[in-house]
Amino acid sequence: ETGVTQSPTHLIKTRGQQVTLRCSSQSGHNTVSWYQQALGQGPQFIFQYYREEENGRGNFPPRFSGLQFPNYSSELNVNALELDDSALYLCASSGWANIQYFGAGTRLSVL
Amino acid sequence: DQQVKQNSPSLSVQEGRISILNCDYTNSMFDYFLWYKKYPAEGPTFLISISSIKDKNEDGRFTVFLNKSAKHLSLHIVPSQPGDSAVYFCAANPNTGNQFYFGTGTSLTVIP
Repeated sequence: ETGVTQSPTHLIKTRGQQVTLRCSSQSGHNTVSWYQQALGQGPQFIFQYYREEENGRGNFPPRFSGLQFPNYSSELNVNALELDDSALYLCASSGWANIQYFGAGTRLSVL
Repeated sequence: DQQVKQNSPSLSVQEGRISILNCDYTNSMFDYFLWYKKYPAEGPTFLISISSIKDKNEDGRFTVFLNKSAKHLSLHIVPSQPGDSAVYFCAANPNTGNQFYFGTGTSLTVIP
């Protein structure tokens, strides 16, 4: 059984660019959630996908968007990057039990 | 608005003693609570959970206590081991949604 994997591990972008982060969910899990963790803060919920549909969204602007694919892997897209978007982006997958299992994250730096 | 609060950014405990990590919440709709542990360069790892129908849940050295009237939960680690040194996050889930709300974390150091 494979765990949650995220790619890339690190990324450097400049302000105004667009970025795509990827996540493979744990085997058997059909739900993926994305979180943003700023330095010294706890993870903040961005949105969740269940069976390829958005299933809840946190307080993030529309330039944060996502996709879930038939194999339950997922992408997080961020357009028009801002300096404050610099953070660790975490993906978590979950199945029938209401426990989220996290990947190691993608560290995004916006310059 | 921080709905889940961990007011102690750090805690140091001697090996073998008890570690007590605290968490407070403000939203009375929260009915499911989890603790996660995070090592540097890794994602948070699930430790233990508790539903609001219980006031205690144990798993080995880890026990979580929930006081609904005080909107407070705590994680007890007994005995503490150096490998427990990590950042601990509490998280809460409301009965009306699927979003998890996280605290800001407590960095635990267990001194050998």
